Amino acid sequence: GAVVSQHPSRVICKSGTSVKIECRSLDFQATTMFWYRQFPKQSLMLMATSNEGSKATYEQGVEKDKFLINHASLTLSTLTVTSAHPEDSSFYICSPRLAGTYEQYFGPGTRLTVT
Amino acid sequence: AQTVTQSQPEMSVQEAETVTLSCTYDTSENNYYLFWYKQPPSRQMILVIRQEAYKQQNATENRFSVNFQKAAKSFSLKISDSQLGDTAMYFCAFMSPTTGTASKLTFGTGTRLQVTL
Repeated sequence: GAVVSQHPSRVICKSGTSVKIECRSLDFQATTMFWYRQFPKQSLMLMATSNEGSKATYEQGVEKDKFLINHASLTLSTLTVTSAHPEDSSFYICSPRLAGTYEQYFGPGTRLTVT
Repeated sequence: AQTVTQSQPEMSVQEAETVTLSCTYDTSENNYYLFWYKQPPSRQMILVIRQEAYKQQNATENRFSVNFQKAAKSFSLKISDSQLGDTAMYFCAFMSPTTGTASKLTFGTGTRLQVTL
């Protein structure tokens, strides 16, 4: 149980374009979704927290207009990197929390490269 | 704010030996959870073990066990009979359920463990 999928696993895009990353909890419902960013050899940095049907709460220093988060259902959340630039290149990880619990699971991650 | 400190950036252990990874944290909360996550080269985060602060008994999962010292705010991970597949980055994490199910995980900086033949 507790399977999380993330798509795409890798994406290369040109500077100025937008990229959408999908995160699905395949066998459980997640009322809360966390999105993380991870630079090479570093820890996970929380970008934002979203609850199903509500606006996301962004961490300090994270631009909400650049990183658009949609949590439209209990099994799907998306992160859109708008007008991507090379400095947005990173590894992005979603992490849904099982509804009504503190059990948190992680997607396999998406490696974004902006050229 | 809570902080989590992992003072060992890298460690190495021979196969079949035992290794202990250290973690300390700082909090003023009394009720919280502590976790160890493993991130192998695939970069998939995997929960290794979890400890509730109100439980005095140390958590154990097969070859993995913790030494939870609440007063010292220490939460070390012991890996027994190390296997090559244990090679990974290990993150210690803390969570205080002060904001319900939206409570956040605070991660340490990680310890890179290499298991050698």
